[in-house]
Amino acid sequence: AQKITQTQPGMFVQEKEAVTLDCTYDTSDQSYGLFWYKQPSSGEMIFLIYQGSYDEQNATEGRYSLNFQKARKSANLVISASQLGDSAMYFCAMRAVLGAGGTSYGKLTFGQGTILTVHP
Amino acid sequence: KAGVTQTPRYLIKTRGQQVTLSCSPISGHRSVSWYQQTPGQGLQFLFEYFSETQRNKGNFPGRFSGRQFSNSRSEMNVSTLELGDSALYLCASSIGAELMNTEAFFGQGTRLTVV
Repeated sequence: AQKITQTQPGMFVQEKEAVTLDCTYDTSDQSYGLFWYKQPSSGEMIFLIYQGSYDEQNATEGRYSLNFQKARKSANLVISASQLGDSAMYFCAMRAVLGAGGTSYGKLTFGQGTILTVHP
Repeated sequence: KAGVTQTPRYLIKTRGQQVTLSCSPISGHRSVSWYQQTPGQGLQFLFEYFSETQRNKGNFPGRFSGRQFSNSRSEMNVSTLELGDSALYLCASSIGAELMNTEAFFGQGTRLTVV
């Protein structure tokens, strides 16, 4: 079974500062992917960044980077230079690699989310 | 390149009725998965389809069903609606190839209200 834990129900950050959103995971799958999504109040789930368990380098996408520490089973999201538009709910999720065995393929397991508020 | 399209965006139904939600994935994506999001339970996996076959299913009652067509479009059906089925229903689109984990992109969701 897979489990995602996001221990920060809410986070506050000043505009233009960096912020780290925590995510730890647990899985028995050997190969898996880790995802971060942003969900504004409109409800749409916006894909931010993806990290494969087999990737040696941390993923980066513009102002987003994923601090992946496999031994600690953590996949924290770092947002640099926060903007007011970054205020939203953020979800960490994971999914087993297809074909690696088990029955969790195709299924994204989500954490409970972190509400990020950016102050001007 | 068009994104994931979910229709309708909003829906109000009465208890006991049934409802069908639609999801058109990104062109070339063959995997569609469905999720229910509620304030109390968060995001829960309903099922996943790949090449018209259901590959995985979450812990939902049989009132929740789905299917996928040859063009990869998917529909989700909920019969005998209950008040607790009120939720945001999201579908995600992936390439879905074997031995390859890829990004999953979501539609804007269908907000279902059961009264």
